[in-house]
Amino acid sequence: DGGITQSPKYLFRKEGQNVTLSCEQNLNHDAMYWYRQDPGQGLRLIYYSQIVNDFQKGDIAEGYSVSREKKESFPLTVTSAQKNPTAFYLCASSMGNSNTEAFFGQGTRLTVV
Amino acid sequence: GDSVTQMEGPVTLSEEAFLTINCTYTATGYPSLFWYVQYPGEGLQLLLKATKADDKGSNKGFEATYRKETTSFHLEKGSVQVSDSAVYFCALSAMNRDDKIIFGKGTRLHILP
Repeated sequence: DGGITQSPKYLFRKEGQNVTLSCEQNLNHDAMYWYRQDPGQGLRLIYYSQIVNDFQKGDIAEGYSVSREKKESFPLTVTSAQKNPTAFYLCASSMGNSNTEAFFGQGTRLTVV
Repeated sequence: GDSVTQMEGPVTLSEEAFLTINCTYTATGYPSLFWYVQYPGEGLQLLLKATKADDKGSNKGFEATYRKETTSFHLEKGSVQVSDSAVYFCALSAMNRDDKIIFGKGTRLHILP
């Protein structure tokens, strides 16, 4: 079955450590996105990529980094520079044109301990 | 820039009540419009969409009509169920330079038995 997979579902990190969240899709989608969601809040865009080897900052990119070396994969690294990383992270993909919807993964809940 | 505004929650209704969640948008050009639903601890799922003016999207008893004259895409359901309790997001996608998907802040819906 085609879909978008995020792993792990739950992740714990010590302060000062970098951590990488995985996002893989087999939908042959060109565009991929990372969002952050805080309790009771909406979605905030971190980074997005419209094509392999290219990505753009979203509204809250500071303290995060991404790569897009393959069409199927768009990993997000939460660096130690991110001051408040505890949140629910959602990855999405789409065909990249305006008529098609985004497909979301199940999310990764990151907790800094 | 493009934006989506939806009514603040939470919205609390009794089972079998009529539901309306308001959504208005600002966009240059002719965006596609979407409603997504998020159940606790999960990613977002597409509920319905409309790609041009006067289109009506529908799914699982929910409906929304793309009204260009009022720049609105209100979500309605004639008789809600307890299982409809979730967070609902209105979103738009427009063909512009950034080609991002823009989400509203979400509306939490509680249905009482």
